Amino acid sequence: EADIYQTPRYLVIGTGKKITLECSQTMGHDKMYWYQQDPGMELHLIHYSYGVNSTEKGDLSSESTVSRIRTEHFPLTLESARPSHTSQYLCASSEGTSGQETQYFGPGTRLLVL
Amino acid sequence: GQNIDQPTEMTATEGAIVQINCTYQTSGFNGLFWYQQHAGEAPTFLSYSVLDGLEEKGRFSSFLSRSKGYSYLLLKELQMKDSASYLCAVREENYGQNFVFGPGTRLSVLP
Repeated sequence: EADIYQTPRYLVIGTGKKITLECSQTMGHDKMYWYQQDPGMELHLIHYSYGVNSTEKGDLSSESTVSRIRTEHFPLTLESARPSHTSQYLCASSEGTSGQETQYFGPGTRLLVL
Repeated sequence: GQNIDQPTEMTATEGAIVQINCTYQTSGFNGLFWYQQHAGEAPTFLSYSVLDGLEEKGRFSSFLSRSKGYSYLLLKELQMKDSASYLCAVREENYGQNFVFGPGTRLSVLP
């Protein structure tokens, strides 16, 4: 069973607020990811990290930022939330990038911006 | 560029067999993964293929043909709990070894 956690699970917030979505994993995985998924749609990679002090943007343009100061922690921040940010945000981690090293997903954060 | 196609929805009867197809176009193929995602939940890993052929794992089997850019997931003896979305994902060498996900196939299993 994967040990990857996200908080909060649900968040309703007003436009313009700053929010941070937390993601932690206890598996010691180097690589971590943030995906955005609208209902019934595919996952889009918005950020990823190869390890501590590494952050990269994914294929979906996002106004969010991430940091990776510790291996186990990969928070995502929105400086000023807008209704267009309403979505589900999924964090994932993997041990590496070869072979059968799959991604383990957290439970997700459902964000609603009013 | 990368492109992954799957049927949007499928319906099958409890106890039956269903095949979910996935076609892909990538420039640096490094493995194909299938995930199951129940509504409102996170995806969970089902299978991994990097060589051609069929791999069986209990009620679930996965097939890969790299030359055709084609995979399928075969679900046997369907159960109601198999109602979920099934995501096909390709790991791309030319994309930082990241995963490109298909749109998912929503499977409904009817009694």
